[in-house]
Amino acid sequence: AQSVTQPDIHITVSEGASLELRCNYSYGATPYLFWYVQSPGQGLQLLLKYFSGDTLVQGIKGFEAEFKRSQSSFNLRKPSVHWSDAAEYFCAVGPRNQAGTALIFGKGTTLSVSS
Amino acid sequence: KAGVTQTPRYLIKTRGQQVTLSCSPISGHRSVSWYQQTPGQGLQFLFEYFSETQRNKGNFPGRFSGRQFSNSRSEMNVSTLELGDSALYLCASSPKDLAYEQYFGPGTRLTVT
Repeated sequence: AQSVTQPDIHITVSEGASLELRCNYSYGATPYLFWYVQSPGQGLQLLLKYFSGDTLVQGIKGFEAEFKRSQSSFNLRKPSVHWSDAAEYFCAVGPRNQAGTALIFGKGTTLSVSS
Repeated sequence: KAGVTQTPRYLIKTRGQQVTLSCSPISGHRSVSWYQQTPGQGLQFLFEYFSETQRNKGNFPGRFSGRQFSNSRSEMNVSTLELGDSALYLCASSPKDLAYEQYFGPGTRLTVT
C-alpha cells in the first residue's frame, strides 16, 4: 500500500541549531515528493518539491531536502532554526504520469523551538 | 494574486444535518482539491475537480460530494453529518500545467455536535 511515514511526532530544537525531519515513503515507483508546513490555524504552505533531476532541492525559508532513492527517503533540513519555524511539517507524495492532484500525506512532525 | 479562500471559516452543525463548504481558487487555477484533516487520520484526500469534472476521488463514503462551477469555484457537501466528520476541511488549487503545485486555503473548521 502507498504510504508516507514521518517517524518523529514531535521534535524540539534550540534556536540556531540545525534541523532534520525524516520522511520515508512506500510507493510502486518514484513519486513526486513534497514538504508542506502548517502554522496553527492556517492552511498548508508548500516548502519545496522534487520532481526530477538534482536530488538536493532548495525551498523557501532556507529549507532544503534530499531525495535518496535507495532509502525511499526525502528528509527535510535547515542549517539554523528560527523561532518562527515552530509549526507542523508534512511530507507528501503524489503519483507520476497521472492526471490529478491526489496527494498522500504523512501524519506530520510538530517542531518546537526553544530559546 | 489573492490566495485560495474558503467560506465559512468555522461551522457548528448537529448530527444528521447537512453542510456545504465553499472554495474559491486562485485566479486562473482550474484544478481544485479537497482534503479532510483530523488528529487521528491526518490529512486525507477527498476529491479533485478539474474543468467542472471530478478527476479523482478518495476513499470516503457517498455522503461526501462536491462540484465545480464554470468559474472554477468549488463546493463540497456532506450529508447526514456524523460526529466523526468533525475536522478541518482544506481546499487547494493548482494551475493547469502544474497540477502538483498545490496552494492551500486556510480551511473550514467543522464541528459536529
